[in-house]
Amino acid sequence: AQKVTQAQTEISVVEKEDVTLDCVYETRDTTYYLFWYKQPPSGELVFLIRRNSFDEQNEISGRYSWNFQKSTSSFNFTITASQVVDSAVYFCALSAATGANNLFFGTGTRLTVIP
Amino acid sequence: DGGITQSPKYLFRKEGQNVTLSCEQNLNHDAMYWYRQDPGQGLRLIYYSQIVNDFQKGDIAEGYSVSREKKESFPLTVTSAQKNPTAFYLCASSIDFRGTSGRRRTDTQYFGPGTRLTVL
Repeated sequence: AQKVTQAQTEISVVEKEDVTLDCVYETRDTTYYLFWYKQPPSGELVFLIRRNSFDEQNEISGRYSWNFQKSTSSFNFTITASQVVDSAVYFCALSAATGANNLFFGTGTRLTVIP
Repeated sequence: DGGITQSPKYLFRKEGQNVTLSCEQNLNHDAMYWYRQDPGQGLRLIYYSQIVNDFQKGDIAEGYSVSREKKESFPLTVTSAQKNPTAFYLCASSIDFRGTSGRRRTDTQYFGPGTRLTVL
C-alpha cells in the first residue's frame, strides 16, 4: 500500500526565515517517484520536483532544496529565506515508477509567510 | 501556449442534476486524470485514462463517469448518484511511454486550474 504523511498541517514563519516541510512515505515498490507540488490560493497545482528512488542526492533549486533519505523514508522540502509569495499549500506525493502513474498525495502543509 | 484548461472555473448544481466538467490539453499527452480535493485534504483519484477509448477507475469512482473519445479531451460527469459532490476538481495529464525494459511508464503529471463545484 502507498501512503504519504505530512504531519505538519499548518506552519507560519516570518519573512526571510528558513522553513522545512516534512514528508514521510510508505511503499512496497522497489522503484518509485516522489514529488512536491505547490498549490497557491488560485488552486492550481504547480509541479516543483520529481525524485527517482534510485537517486538519493539532495537537490537545490534557487531557494528550494530537497532532502531525500531512503533509510527514514523521508523526502523533506526546505525553503530558504522565505518570501510572502511562498505562502501556499504544499503537497508531497508518491507514485510507482512503472505501470499506471497513480499519484498518492499527503494531506498537505499550509505555509503562511508573514511580512 | 501549451497547457491544460478546465471549464467552468465555478459550477453550481442543484441536487439530482448531472453536470459535466471539461478538461482539455494541447500538450500531446497520452494519459489524463481526474482528482477530487476536499477542504484540508489531499487529492484523491477518481478516474484515469492512458489511451483514447480506454479509462480506469480510481479510488473514488462511484457516482462519476468519464469518456475519452479524443486524446485532447477527458470530460468528467458528476452524476446524481454522487452523494457529496461539493469539492474542488482537478484534471491532470502526463506523457505515457515504454521504458527501455519495455514496461509502460508514465511521466510527471501536470495539472489544470481546477473547477469548484457546489451543490445547492
